[in-house]
Amino acid sequence: SQQGEEDPQALSIQEGENATMNCSYKTSINNLQWYRQNSGRGLVHLILIRSNEREKHSGRLRVTLDTSKKSSSLLITASRAADTASYFCATDRGSTLGRLYFGRGTQLTVWP
Amino acid sequence: GAVVSQHPSWVICKSGTSVKIECRSLDFQATTMFWYRQFPKQSLMLMATSNEGSKATYEQGVEKDKFLINHASLTLSTLTVTSAHPEDSSFYICSRGGLEETQYFGPGTRLLVL
Repeated sequence: SQQGEEDPQALSIQEGENATMNCSYKTSINNLQWYRQNSGRGLVHLILIRSNEREKHSGRLRVTLDTSKKSSSLLITASRAADTASYFCATDRGSTLGRLYFGRGTQLTVWP
Repeated sequence: GAVVSQHPSWVICKSGTSVKIECRSLDFQATTMFWYRQFPKQSLMLMATSNEGSKATYEQGVEKDKFLINHASLTLSTLTVTSAHPEDSSFYICSRGGLEETQYFGPGTRLLVL
């Protein structure tokens, strides 16, 4: 079964605007990861945040994690048309075996 | 460059036939690989953990006799969809571990069963 939910399921913005996507999960975790998927392609890892971290940055990406609320957010600043893709959060459900459980994803469309 | 490849990238088959999908780790030996399936506009669902030299570990609800997984070498895992039916049509993606607890994903295989 899916681990959680992303909100919103679809997001449409203009270039230059910020995009915020949220993710909720249900179990304990060691870490939470965000992945990006271009249409019909494989997934690319974006960022990993550990359960003892609250915020992490990587370039234009900012991820927060609230383990008390079992939620995370991904912020993409100054979006570009090339950021158009589906974004998924994934958790390990507390396992260290490499298995990932994905949320439903947010389809982000950035208009030029 | 890509570190995980899949073959074929797409396949069309008749109902009742079996289809084999290969997943290769190109730059690193992988004792463990993972198989996911994804329906259109939906999320990835973990199907099973492929273990080199031993049986695969299947997620709850995944039919192991339907989806045969073989991990015969440290760089190759195969997923065979046996007696495929139209409801097996999906996007199948494999992955292997990367830095820390991240995963490198293959480009996926699109299966269409007629």
